[in-house]
Amino acid sequence: DAMVIQNPRYQVTQFGKPVTLSCSQTLNHNVMYWYQQKSSQAPKLLFHYYDKDFNNEADTPDNFQSRRPNTSFCFLDIRSPGLGDAAMYLCATSREGVEQYFGPGTRLTVT
Amino acid sequence: QKEVEQNSGPLSVPEGAIASLNCTYSDRGSQSFFWYRQYSGKSPELIMFIYSNGDKEDGRFTAQLNKASQYVSLLIRDSQPSDSATYLCAVAIQGAQKLVFGQGTRLTINP
Repeated sequence: DAMVIQNPRYQVTQFGKPVTLSCSQTLNHNVMYWYQQKSSQAPKLLFHYYDKDFNNEADTPDNFQSRRPNTSFCFLDIRSPGLGDAAMYLCATSREGVEQYFGPGTRLTVT
Repeated sequence: QKEVEQNSGPLSVPEGAIASLNCTYSDRGSQSFFWYRQYSGKSPELIMFIYSNGDKEDGRFTAQLNKASQYVSLLIRDSQPSDSATYLCAVAIQGAQKLVFGQGTRLTINP
């Protein structure tokens, strides 16, 4: 089945220790998104790739970076995680930016 | 003014009744509208999308769109306890490959 896969599903990191979250997709969608979602809040878009073009949201902290080495993979790097970065991180994909399909998410804990 | 507004609930509906979830949006140029279901601790799941004025039915779900009133709704017929979740309304930003999410409505179906 075509799907969006995120690894790991749960990640624990220490304050200030860099962490990388991974997303892969078999849908062959050209747009990939990273969202941050905290409890009882709507998903907050951090950035997205339209093909190879990177689009950063104006309010995304510099602490968050992303890489998309090919169509299927996208990574979220958090350079120096703070306690406030503890959240669910969601990857989503779409074809041409229409319907978005989410992966299962990575729950990040910062100690 | 928020771009996409939903009543946060909680909305409590007896089993077997019709659950009605509402959403308003501010961008009159919006063309694409989505409903996502999110169970606690899980990622959002796309359950309906609608692009044209009127009703769109899929099983027990009906999405309704009224562009003149800038209003989109989701009806769930014969509500089941398994429908208990948070429902997120999302609207595509015109000219961009992004969605704006409402805060979500928490729905509880009481047996």
